[in-house]
Amino acid sequence: AQSVAQPEDQVNVAEGNPLTVKCTYSVSGNPYLFWYVQYPNRGLQFLLKYITGDNLVKGSYGFEAEFNKSQTSFHLKKPSALVSDSALYFCAVRPPSNRDDKIIFGKGTRLHILP
Amino acid sequence: SQTIHQWPATLVQPVGSPLSLECTVEGTSNPNLYWYRQAAGRGLQLLFYSVGIGQISSEVPQNLSASRPQDRQFILSSKKLLLSDSGFYLCAWSPRSTYEQYFGPGTRLTVT
Repeated sequence: AQSVAQPEDQVNVAEGNPLTVKCTYSVSGNPYLFWYVQYPNRGLQFLLKYITGDNLVKGSYGFEAEFNKSQTSFHLKKPSALVSDSALYFCAVRPPSNRDDKIIFGKGTRLHILP
Repeated sequence: SQTIHQWPATLVQPVGSPLSLECTVEGTSNPNLYWYRQAAGRGLQLLFYSVGIGQISSEVPQNLSASRPQDRQFILSSKKLLLSDSGFYLCAWSPRSTYEQYFGPGTRLTVT
């Protein structure tokens, strides 16, 4: 079955430290990969996507993600965390075999940046 | 630029009452449209999606229904709400063939 996994329910990082939010996927072929962020009582905001090309993708708010095909991972990273980065983060994947435009979301990782 | 609207922002309804949530998109044409439900601030459950007017695909059998009467309008309905229908309902749109989805602000539904 095609799926995306976020193995950590919560990640705590001190302000100013680098952060990583992990995502792995299980799909056949070359997937399209996405990261979204959700602040309390708000809709999801699109951060970045990987379709093809450079494995390191840069997105909004200083975030970046690295596509690793051999490890089937797409971890979200930021060199220096801000307290305002505290939110719920979702990884998502669109299997290339899909004939529609549905994407599969992970269960989310809550990121806490400690001042 | 494109904008997506949802209303109402919050709703408290008694069990057995009807429901109508509306979503509209501005600044684009022929979008794909989606309804999701999010329980307890965690994962998203895809409820319905639409690739065109009158074309609705249902992902989960339940007492909810969706309609797309106009190109940029997507409506989520129920004839009789259940307690289990409580949650945060999110509408999203995506451009054709670029796959990323853009979400509305959401509707918090509480069924009492």
